[in-house]
Amino acid sequence: DAMVIQNPRYQVTQFGKPVTLSCSQTLNHNVMYWYQQKSSQAPKLLFHYYDKDFNNEADTPDNFQSRRPNTSFCFLDIRSPGLGDAAMYLCATSRDRGAGTQYFGPGTRLLVL
Amino acid sequence: QKEVEQDPGPLSVPEGAIVSLNCTYSNSAFQYFMWYRQYSRKGPELLMYTYSSGNKEDGRFTAQVDKSSKYISLFIRDSQPSDSATYLCAMSFLYNQGGKLIFGQGTELSVKP
Repeated sequence: DAMVIQNPRYQVTQFGKPVTLSCSQTLNHNVMYWYQQKSSQAPKLLFHYYDKDFNNEADTPDNFQSRRPNTSFCFLDIRSPGLGDAAMYLCATSRDRGAGTQYFGPGTRLLVL
Repeated sequence: QKEVEQDPGPLSVPEGAIVSLNCTYSNSAFQYFMWYRQYSRKGPELLMYTYSSGNKEDGRFTAQVDKSSKYISLFIRDSQPSDSATYLCAMSFLYNQGGKLIFGQGTELSVKP
């Protein structure tokens, strides 16, 4: 089945220690998104890639970076995680950048000690 | 004021009840309206996708959009314990902002057998 896969499902890191979260998709979609969802809150868009074109949300901290080496994979790098970065990180894809539906992965839950 | 307001609940109903979930929004530029279901510690799953005012039905689910009142609803008929989840409304603009979704906070629903 075509799907969005995220690894790892759970990640524990130390305060200030860089961490990378991974997302892959078999849908061959052009757009990949990263959302941050804190407990009992709405998912909040961090950035998205349209093909290789990176689009950062204005309020996304510089601490968050992303890479998309090819169509299938996208990575979220947190350079110096703080306690406030503990959250569920959701990857999503859509076929195009219009108002098409987005398909979400299962998420990676990040814990910062 | 948040762009999208959603009562977080929790909402508890008996099995078989009709459930009504609602969101209000402030930005009249939203054109697409979605409902996602999110089980605990999982990624959101698209339930319903609508454009413009009116009703859309899919099985036990009906989505309703009233653009004049900036109000959307999701109705679940004959609710089942398996419907217990958090329901997120989401909205997007027409052909700009990269298909960015603006989510409500989510309503936690519990259907008791």
